[in-house]
Amino acid sequence: GQSLEQPSEVTAVEGAIVQINCTYQTSGFYGLSWYQQHDGGAPTFLSYNALDGLEETGRFSSFLSRSDSYGYLLLQELQMKDSASYFCAAGSGAGSYQLTFGKGTKLSVIP
Amino acid sequence: DTGVSQNPRHKITKRGQNVTFRCDPISEHNRLYWYRQTLGQGPEFLTYFQNEAQLEKSRLLSDRFSAERPKGSFSTLEIQRTEQGDSAMYLCASSSEQGSNYGYTFGSGTRLTVV
Repeated sequence: GQSLEQPSEVTAVEGAIVQINCTYQTSGFYGLSWYQQHDGGAPTFLSYNALDGLEETGRFSSFLSRSDSYGYLLLQELQMKDSASYFCAAGSGAGSYQLTFGKGTKLSVIP
Repeated sequence: DTGVSQNPRHKITKRGQNVTFRCDPISEHNRLYWYRQTLGQGPEFLTYFQNEAQLEKSRLLSDRFSAERPKGSFSTLEIQRTEQGDSAMYLCASSSEQGSNYGYTFGSGTRLTVV
């Protein structure tokens, strides 16, 4: 099985940088994904790390260290619209397309 | 591209009744997934289709749950003899073989309330 741990809540100031950490324990691991979900909305795919290192997509970056079973999502130049829940999710690979999600981190961006 | 469409958006049913939800994936996506999400939790995997074949089922999926994707296009999820514990948001997602392995497009979900 798989389990992912991430902080339940984070608060940051508009324009600042925030990092949301995710640690995982898995019996099989095939990469770490990040999703954003606004209240009442659908989860939206942000990024995917199959290999160690940093992936950058605009204001969002995601990092993975397989040796540490750890990843993070970095949000820069925070905007009020970034207030949402952020989920890390692990794929188990080996022909499986099942994603196991963490419980999510609720990010509040304040003026 | 109209995204992933789910119907109905909301469903209130009495305990013991059967309910059916529909998902229309992005037309060129051959992979379709059902997830369930309760308040304050991340989505939980239920089942996965590649075209019309159901290739994975979670142990969470009891015998009361059944999913179909008869022509490899839309999918239905049926819950028989609903229980209060079935109250949740039921999310459908789709992806293509060419895309990121885990970059799914989710629909807005069907919120089920069992009273």
